[in-house]
Amino acid sequence: TQLLEQSPQFLSIQEGENLTVYCNSSSVFSSLQWYRQEPGEGPVLLVTVVTGGEVKKLKRLTFQFGDARKDSSLHITAAQPGDTGLYLCAGPVLSGGSYIPTFGRGTSLIVHP
Amino acid sequence: KAGVTQTPRYLIKTRGQQVTLSCSPISGHRSVSWYQQTPGQGLQFLFEYFSETQRNKGNFPGRFSGRQFSNSRSEMNVSTLELGDSALYLCASSFYRDRVIDTQYFGPGTRLTVL
Repeated sequence: TQLLEQSPQFLSIQEGENLTVYCNSSSVFSSLQWYRQEPGEGPVLLVTVVTGGEVKKLKRLTFQFGDARKDSSLHITAAQPGDTGLYLCAGPVLSGGSYIPTFGRGTSLIVHP
Repeated sequence: KAGVTQTPRYLIKTRGQQVTLSCSPISGHRSVSWYQQTPGQGLQFLFEYFSETQRNKGNFPGRFSGRQFSNSRSEMNVSTLELGDSALYLCASSFYRDRVIDTQYFGPGTRLTVL
C-alpha cells in the first residue's frame, strides 16, 4: 500500500490547458514537497508546504496543502510543453528516530504544442 | 556550484554479478541518500549516510549496501544482481541532517540494466 497516492497517473493535454494533480494520504504529514523530474534527470524540488491550508504560487504553478495536512494539490495554469515531466509528491515518515522521505508514484504529464 | 554527480550514467550487468555506483554530493553537503526508481514501485529510499555513518535504511535486502567517505562522496554496492534490480539509481545530497524540512538535490542517476 502506497502511503502517498497520486492521481491521475498519466495526463496528456494541449498547450494552454489548465490541470490539477493530487497527492493524498490517510496519514498526517508535517510537510509535503513537490518535485518535477524530466526524462534522463533526477527530481528537482519545486516547493515545500508546511502549514495546513497553505497556498504557494510559483509562476503558473499553485500548490495547496490540505487543512488536515493529509493531502496536497498542484494546479498548473496555461500549461506549456516545458511543463512536461513526472510530478512527484514526497513527505517525511519517522523511522528509527529519523525521517525517511517517502514518495508517491507520480503523475506523468505530457503537454503537446 | 557544481551539482550532484553520479557515475557511471549507464551500466549493463548480468545476473549474479555485483556493481558499484558512485555519487559525489554538492560541495559542503554531508548527507547523501540513495534511491531506487522503477516504473512499478516508483522512487524508494535505500539508505542515507551522514558524516560516514549510515543513519537510516529502507526496506531492501542485504545485497544492497553503501558507504560514505570522509569527503562525503558515497558509493553503493549491489551484490548477486537479479533481474528485478534493473532500475534508475538516484543519489541525493543535502546540507542539513533534519529531514522534516529538507531540500534534497538529486543527481541524474545511474541506469542499471541486469540481463
